[in-house]
Amino acid sequence: KAGVTQTPRYLIKTRGQQVTLSCSPISGHRSVSWYQQTPGQGLQFLFEYFSETQRNKGNFPGRFSGRQFSNSRSEMNVSTLELGDSALYLCASSLTAGGFSTDTQYFGPGTRLTVL
Amino acid sequence: AQTVTQSQPEMSVQEAETVTLSCTYDTSESDYYLFWYKQPPSRQMILVIRQEAYKQQNATENRFSVNFQKAAKSFSLKISDSQLGDAAMYFCAYRSNDMRFGAGTRLTVKP
Repeated sequence: KAGVTQTPRYLIKTRGQQVTLSCSPISGHRSVSWYQQTPGQGLQFLFEYFSETQRNKGNFPGRFSGRQFSNSRSEMNVSTLELGDSALYLCASSLTAGGFSTDTQYFGPGTRLTVL
Repeated sequence: AQTVTQSQPEMSVQEAETVTLSCTYDTSESDYYLFWYKQPPSRQMILVIRQEAYKQQNATENRFSVNFQKAAKSFSLKISDSQLGDAAMYFCAYRSNDMRFGAGTRLTVKP
């Protein structure tokens, strides 16, 4: 079974631009979560989607948004990019979402975003 | 809010020896899950082991085992017979409604 895939793997943008990252979960997984990883802040939870609905959201500004499609693929969008948005963005999928789910999250390789 | 603390930014172990990575967490919930993830230099996050909070028995996966102390809110990872391939960042994580990660411990394995 194929793992979680993320595209693109690397991205360079300039301040003020917007960016869209894509995540394809493991086949059969209906939940997708997004994380931001930086050397200073570590791994921070962005949001989680399940069956096209946002289930949970982390403490990030409204410039960060996401969505999930009927095939469980997910996209996240960052508008008006800032230098501090440079990070590795990780996507993880699981069978079900949050709560007391017994499902483990499986991670993709990440998208490295650099904002100049 | 749930927080996860890994007090050891870096650890080092000799090949074939045993090392223990520490993790503590703070929560008011009684049902949750705990995980250890490994992130090698290639950056792909890999699940090492997981523990359900309602289970008293410590989880074991081959050379990896945990010491789960629910009352103390402690969840340490023991790696036995360390191998060069174990070198990576190790993250402790807590999951209830969402997933919270510790800051990570960088493990170096010396040949």
